[in-house]
Amino acid sequence: AQSVAQPEDQVNVAEGNPLTVKCTYSVSGNPYLFWYVQYPNRGLQFLLKYITGDNLVKGSYGFEAEFNKSQTSFHLKKPSALVSDSALYFCAVRDMDTGRRALTFGSGTRLQVQP
Amino acid sequence: EAQVTQNPRYLITVTGKKLTVTCSQNMNHEYMSWYRQDPGLGLRQIYYSMNVEVTDKGDVPEGYKVSRKEKRNFPLILESPSPNQTSLYFCASSTTGIGTGELFFGEGSRLTVL
Repeated sequence: AQSVAQPEDQVNVAEGNPLTVKCTYSVSGNPYLFWYVQYPNRGLQFLLKYITGDNLVKGSYGFEAEFNKSQTSFHLKKPSALVSDSALYFCAVRDMDTGRRALTFGSGTRLQVQP
Repeated sequence: EAQVTQNPRYLITVTGKKLTVTCSQNMNHEYMSWYRQDPGLGLRQIYYSMNVEVTDKGDVPEGYKVSRKEKRNFPLILESPSPNQTSLYFCASSTTGIGTGELFFGEGSRLTVL
């Protein structure tokens, strides 16, 4: 079975400070990992993904994520937060070694960036 | 503009009254899927389709039906809605069966069943 945990319901950070949104995963094989962002009253938008290769993945809007196989983590980071980054963030995983054709999403983390 | 379009965006209905939520994509994607979003639970997959006439159950298919007669359309049918189907629903599509490709989401359909 594949699963994702986002341990924080909400993360608060001041504008200009670095931000981290945490994600840990569990798969029996090798993972495909994704981050999505949801703005109010909108659908989810793709931010970045890890398939293979470099552990540090860069994505949209200045976000990046680091794949850590030993800690089974894929934390989302940004060096300097903007108020406009305030949104709901979802981590998702797919086990690439199974035939299951679905992403499993975490419960989401609300990021609040204060001016 | 590449997009996934859902209708209706908002719907209030009563228990037992059949309804359909439509989903259409203009990107010629083979893979389409329906999710429901509930607070604290994230997104859970209801059904997915790898191509025309090919559909399969996701994690929470009970009480739902789907069909894929055309590549661009993937309607979600609630034959006899119940209050526990009150939720925010998202349709999504992808080029590669979500193997490595990202999902493109519609803007959501908020359903309330009284």
